[in-house]
Amino acid sequence: SAVISQKPSRDICQRGTSLTIQCQVDSQVTMMFWYRQQPGQSLTLIATANQGSEATYESGFVIDKFPISRPNLTFSTLTVSNMSPEDSSIYLCSVELGQRDYGYTFGSGTRLTVV
Amino acid sequence: AQKITQTQPGMFVQEKEAVTLDCTYDTSDPSYGLFWYKQPSSGEMIFLIYQGSYDQQNATEGRYSLNFQKARKSANLVISASQLGDSAMYFCAMRVSGTYKYIFGTGTRLKVLA
Repeated sequence: SAVISQKPSRDICQRGTSLTIQCQVDSQVTMMFWYRQQPGQSLTLIATANQGSEATYESGFVIDKFPISRPNLTFSTLTVSNMSPEDSSIYLCSVELGQRDYGYTFGSGTRLTVV
Repeated sequence: AQKITQTQPGMFVQEKEAVTLDCTYDTSDPSYGLFWYKQPSSGEMIFLIYQGSYDQQNATEGRYSLNFQKARKSANLVISASQLGDSAMYFCAMRVSGTYKYIFGTGTRLKVLA
């Protein structure tokens, strides 16, 4: 399975500012996925990032709020823009490698607190 | 619509005992995959076990086994010989047919007691 380095691991940010989260994979992957986990909640898919094309956003998520870059097959960033306290969550990137039954490999997550 | 339901928000188990975490799912697709993940307090998501809809036998991975009852649409996780390090959130998930997307349940918080 893949190894994903995600950073920062946690941050405390002021409302109105933006934070960019980075994910680096040790293998080339076609798709990378960004999830949000609000406090006490399950994981919700934000978007799917393909190399060389615009990210595909899920219902309720928009590019202006969560711009994503995917410059190559091993790297992606998610920016949380104009943050408010409601954006306080764990953000996780993930990839699916190898056989279907391996499921996702997740990054270690970014625990974001907006004050 | 596809859905995962975990009805146990929290569970306690004594160290060295076995525990079952419940998961039911809903899908009309004949082909699907079911997964369990563990999330420690650090926040990372750790893959535990997979069950394919066509698999004849229940999946096992070390101390983890999946009690798959297809007719009941349930995929319960059994952890044998619980350890203190098993204390975490556990999520059941299903792959959406034909996509790379997963649907996650709301999770069960397991606390192993010494």
